[in-house]
Amino acid sequence: GNSVTQMEGPVTLSEEAFLTINCTYTATGYPSLFWYVQYPGEGLQLLLKATKADDKGSNKGFEATYRKETTSFHLEKGSVQVSDSAVYFCALSERGDYKLSFGAGTTVTVRA
Amino acid sequence: DVKVTQSSRYLVKRTGEKVFLECVQDMDHENMFWYRQDPGLGLRLIYFSYDVKMKEKGDIPEGYSVSREKKERFSLILESASTNQTSMYLCASSLNRGGYGYTFGSGTRLTVV
Repeated sequence: GNSVTQMEGPVTLSEEAFLTINCTYTATGYPSLFWYVQYPGEGLQLLLKATKADDKGSNKGFEATYRKETTSFHLEKGSVQVSDSAVYFCALSERGDYKLSFGAGTTVTVRA
Repeated sequence: DVKVTQSSRYLVKRTGEKVFLECVQDMDHENMFWYRQDPGLGLRLIYFSYDVKMKEKGDIPEGYSVSREKKERFSLILESASTNQTSMYLCASSLNRGGYGYTFGSGTRLTVV
């Protein structure tokens, strides 16, 4: 079956620091990959996505590259802000499937 | 702005009660989902529906049922609430397959005492 493994948190950073959250996946086919973000008290929002190998998704300064050879989709941001404090979820969906499979989530706290 | 609305932000129920969690979307989406969110476990799919009156079990359906009588409304039912069902419940909807275009509600935090 499909599964997503992401690095455990919590992660605490200072403003302007570099952020990396590791995500690896197991899938039977050729999944699409996603990063979702959950700000305090809110539902999840799509942050970025990639649909095939070597695609790079990007949004709000965040980037992630679909690496088929390492089955990874690591999230990076070069300079974080306090407003980036949130829980980040890596997720995948097989083509033609209805469902998303999520990782456990990584809590990120950015201090001023 | 498109929305998925969950009827309650916080609920406290007693063990053995029948509990209804309601979710309404205004986007005319075909697909609707119920997930539960627990620390360290991420989101786990309970049930989903791809059409009115249709439902499919997700990964953890035990102890839950669902109802979708109208396209815009998807209800999660805890037939006899137990303390291990204390959790955050998230509803979502999507137009297509493949994980695209999911919109999530803000969640209902259910405590069973």
